[in-house]
Amino acid sequence: SQKIEQNSEALNIQEGKTATLTCNYTNYSPAYLQWYRQDPGRGPVFLLLIRENEKEKRKERLKVTFDTTLKQSLFHITASQPADSATYLCALDGSRYSSASKIIFGSGTRLSIRP
Amino acid sequence: DVKVTQSSRYLVKRTGEKVFLECVQDMDHENMFWYRQDPGLGLRLIYFSYDVKMKEKGDIPEGYSVSREKKERFSLILESASTNQTSMYLCASSFSRVGSGRTNTGELFFGEGSRLTVL
Repeated sequence: SQKIEQNSEALNIQEGKTATLTCNYTNYSPAYLQWYRQDPGRGPVFLLLIRENEKEKRKERLKVTFDTTLKQSLFHITASQPADSATYLCALDGSRYSSASKIIFGSGTRLSIRP
Repeated sequence: DVKVTQSSRYLVKRTGEKVFLECVQDMDHENMFWYRQDPGLGLRLIYFSYDVKMKEKGDIPEGYSVSREKKERFSLILESASTNQTSMYLCASSFSRVGSGRTNTGELFFGEGSRLTVL
């Protein structure tokens, strides 16, 4: 069956350290993968997209990798701050070969950065 | 700024009632989506649409239907609400699919959500 799994439901790290979140997928062949941030009571907000032909993408303190062989994406936040505390979601297009974009989300990782 | 507006932030309905959740976007997006979000289960796709009058089932369409008569509006309908449909419902929209040579990131823009309680 098709699955997207974010391995950690919750991650708690010290301010200043690098947070690494994992997204694994099964039985999909996504052309790209996206990462979103969600704060309590709000809708998710887009952060980054990485395409299948890109190994790595960076945006300020964020870095995303995409390994299509391992079927895995890693999301890193360097020099983490308490304001980075939120739930982070990965998403992919589960309908690569059809005319519609069927965007499927993982269940998310709740990241807490302690001062 | 892109705006996705959901008609109600909070609704309380009774079992068996018909429920309409409406979503309007102002960016001329082709794609629109309805998700529900439950603790521990993440965002699950109910239905999506890539054009007016076009709709496709997501992963959990049972008990729901949708309507897209105009490009900017996508409605979610619960024909006969049940207690297991108590949830947070999120609408999203995006431009059409990401393709090679295009700069479109396929970014989904979400509404603030509609928290539905079915008693």
